[in-house]
Amino acid sequence: GQNIDQPTEMTATEGAIVQINCTYQTSGFNGLFWYQQHAGEAPTFLSYNVLDGLEEKGRFSSFLSRSKGYSYLLLKELQMKDSASYLCAVRVTSGNTPLVFGKGTRLSVIA
Amino acid sequence: DAMVIQNPRYQVTQFGKPVTLSCSQTLNHNVMYWYQQKSSQAPKLLFHYYDKDFNNEADTPDNFQSRRPNTSFCFLDIRSPGLGDAAMYLCATSRGVGEQYFGPGTRLTVT
Repeated sequence: GQNIDQPTEMTATEGAIVQINCTYQTSGFNGLFWYQQHAGEAPTFLSYNVLDGLEEKGRFSSFLSRSKGYSYLLLKELQMKDSASYLCAVRVTSGNTPLVFGKGTRLSVIA
Repeated sequence: DAMVIQNPRYQVTQFGKPVTLSCSQTLNHNVMYWYQQKSSQAPKLLFHYYDKDFNNEADTPDNFQSRRPNTSFCFLDIRSPGLGDAAMYLCATSRGVGEQYFGPGTRLTVT
């Protein structure tokens, strides 16, 4: 089976840095996605990693270690609008296989 | 400009009364997906179309059907909604196995 683990909830302070971890045990691996989902809205794409290392995109960075089955999303200079759920999703094989989503981490940013 | 459009945004139906949710896209993506998402849970893939090829997830109930009459449109038919089918239904598209673009979702209530 496929298993993707993320913390259920996190709280961080405005202006701070927060790291959201994701571990996965899947039958194959062909890329990991991070999505942001505000309450009652659709997920929006944040980042994609397929090779080991860090991908930086503005205030958001995502890291991948394939040997450890581990990724994290790093959010810098937190803003109140970053309060949302963050979904980790794995594409388990090549071809037209869809994504397997984790349950998401609900981040609350407080003043 | 909206790229993945879902109608209606909110749908109320009665127990056992068939309901159809619609999705359209202006991205000309060849893959379209339907997800079910319940509160605080991961999006659960119901089925997807890769071009014209229909792919049903093994655990998708027979109560759920889908139609894709052309590249731009995809429909989700729930033949006999039960109380447990109340959820957010998300449509997504992708070009091949690239990142998925989600619509705003349809929140279904079953009374």
